[in-house]
Amino acid sequence: DAGITQSPRHKVTETGTPVTLRCHQTENHRYMYWYRQDPGHGLRLIHYSYGVKDTDKGEVSDGYSVSRSKTEDFLLTLESATSSQTSVYFCAIRPTNYGYTFGSGTRLTVV
Amino acid sequence: KNEVEQSPQNLTAQEGEFITINCSYSVGISALHWLQQHPGGGIVSLFMLSSGKKKHGRLIATINIQEKHSSLHITASHPRDSAVYICAVTAGGTSYGKLTFGQGTILTVHP
Repeated sequence: DAGITQSPRHKVTETGTPVTLRCHQTENHRYMYWYRQDPGHGLRLIHYSYGVKDTDKGEVSDGYSVSRSKTEDFLLTLESATSSQTSVYFCAIRPTNYGYTFGSGTRLTVV
Repeated sequence: KNEVEQSPQNLTAQEGEFITINCSYSVGISALHWLQQHPGGGIVSLFMLSSGKKKHGRLIATINIQEKHSSLHITASHPRDSAVYICAVTAGGTSYGKLTFGQGTILTVHP
């Protein structure tokens, strides 16, 4: 979608390796979110940010960390990937008073 | 019990039929969102509602705040409407716009 880009789109990694997913926005929005989507669980919040260097945990934050050093970038890091973190990851931004804009998703497979 | 419940989980229709997907929630909200996700695709925001009714093309969304219930209607359904439809809410108060999602409704429209 225009204004938000996730990278990479697909990644296969080995158990125990660190992985960083990037979300980049061009629209200068304050709020950014990382969600994961899994069969049987739907979409769940991992971490969110409400400004530069302002982040907080969501409902499934264990094993994940985030950083936001610039308005436009929100990074999600898996410090030591596990098979339970195989999922599709979506970043989202929240334009004020409008619906959300989601990135195209990152399909991560941990083998 | 999930905070956001959708029904039905699966829905099959013939082209041209009128379709209704329901969403019930148990928490106080500031807004309710309807999202669409095509197979293998990204997530698109269809509607954001805090009261009343909204219409966009063949899609209509309604919300009853007192009953904590929303419906998404599709008139004159078409095979291209086949997708997963997801209801999500943002809680009232200082929630930073975090979304809580329903499990989604898988809609298949046959020609």
